[in-house]
Amino acid sequence: NAGVTQTPKFQVLKTGQSMTLQCAQDMNHEYMSWYRQDPGMGLRLIHYSVGAGITDQGEVPNGYNVSRSTTEDFPLRLLSAAPSQTSVYFCASSYLGGPNQPQHFGDGTRLSIL
Amino acid sequence: AQRVTQPEKLLSVFKGAPVELKCNYSYSGSPELFWYVQYSRQRLQLLLRHISRESIKGFTADLNKGETSFHLKKPFAQEEDSAMYYCALTSSNTGKLIFGQGTTLQVKP
Repeated sequence: NAGVTQTPKFQVLKTGQSMTLQCAQDMNHEYMSWYRQDPGMGLRLIHYSVGAGITDQGEVPNGYNVSRSTTEDFPLRLLSAAPSQTSVYFCASSYLGGPNQPQHFGDGTRLSIL
Repeated sequence: AQRVTQPEKLLSVFKGAPVELKCNYSYSGSPELFWYVQYSRQRLQLLLRHISRESIKGFTADLNKGETSFHLKKPFAQEEDSAMYYCALTSSNTGKLIFGQGTTLQVKP
């Protein structure tokens, strides 16, 4: 099994550009989430979803959009990239029971905004 | 509000020494607490959860509700324990898993 797959692994954007970070899982997990990892800040929750068609905001949702049209995919969109969004982004998924279940993480996407 | 605090960015010990990674939390309900670990060039993964009361790779963590702490301990550190460790909290009410800032454990030979 591939588990949680994130693409791309690296990306450089200019301020104002838009981009979608892809996340796919093949474990039929209901719960999926996006985090950003910054030095000294740990992992901060951006958005999460408890199933197809259902999304909710985390700690730092501003500047990001998500959708969950299928169980497998949970893309994260930056509509107008800003330098403050330079970070490493992690996608995670788990079985029903959401955050109480062990989270399976992807390898991360390292994003730089110039 | 939910909050997890890991006061140490870096903890450096010698092989064979005891290790304690501190974690304090704030939450008004009944939280569930976890420790996640990220070894070099590997994915972040679950190490242990308080509800299981287990010992994984020699690590244990006890939930102290009076002190709102969930410190991670190991009596004798090994070089392969060197990694980034994250404490995390959730509750079934919020549906959110919140992480602390992380502590890098460096075990020197």
